[in-house]
Amino acid sequence: DTGVSQDPRHKITKRGQNVTFRCDPISEHNRLYWYRQTLGQGPEFLTYFQNEAQLEKSRLLSDRFSAERPKGSFSTLEIQRTEQGDSAMYLCASSGRTNEQYFGPGTRLTVT
Amino acid sequence: QKEVEQNSGPLSVPEGAIASLNCTYSDRVSQSFFWYRQYSGKSPELIMSIYSNGDKEDGRFTAQLNKASQYVSLLIRDSQPSDSATYLCAVNRYTGGFKTIFGAGTRLFVKA
Repeated sequence: DTGVSQDPRHKITKRGQNVTFRCDPISEHNRLYWYRQTLGQGPEFLTYFQNEAQLEKSRLLSDRFSAERPKGSFSTLEIQRTEQGDSAMYLCASSGRTNEQYFGPGTRLTVT
Repeated sequence: QKEVEQNSGPLSVPEGAIASLNCTYSDRVSQSFFWYRQYSGKSPELIMSIYSNGDKEDGRFTAQLNKASQYVSLLIRDSQPSDSATYLCAVNRYTGGFKTIFGAGTRLFVKA
């Protein structure tokens, strides 16, 4: 198993554009998390999936952010109408029943 | 009050010394606790998890949990320059789905 993968690793977009990121978790993990991290801060929780069900999400995801995990395997995170304040590292993590989370390398988003 | 608080540091210790990292959390229903290490420009990597009161040792690392005081700590024995990184405390709770809150991290610098 190669661990959690994320694609793309870097994304530069213009303000107002939509972007979509993909996360492939560790194959035997049924739990998947998305986070956002800015410089000098810890990861900020965005949402949690157990299999295909989105069971927890921050208030941030009720606006321009949405996430899916349609078949309980890979997940996508979409940001609509991007703003400069969305520039950050977007991290995905997966876990099994212990909730010990293993992180992917992240997608660095720059909004110009 | 932040949900998970850590001293931002930097904490500077000489090589071979014990580094002590502390974390407090505000939500008493928190169930599981984690320490992650994050090198600059990299994603967090799991060091240890702890679920019940007391100490848990793994090699040079010891995690300590005191739920009554809402306090978690990490001791690093025989600190090495390669331990220089940001250490993130994470607290997980179940509210129909799992939500993980990270502290902002403590920067550790081990002087050779």
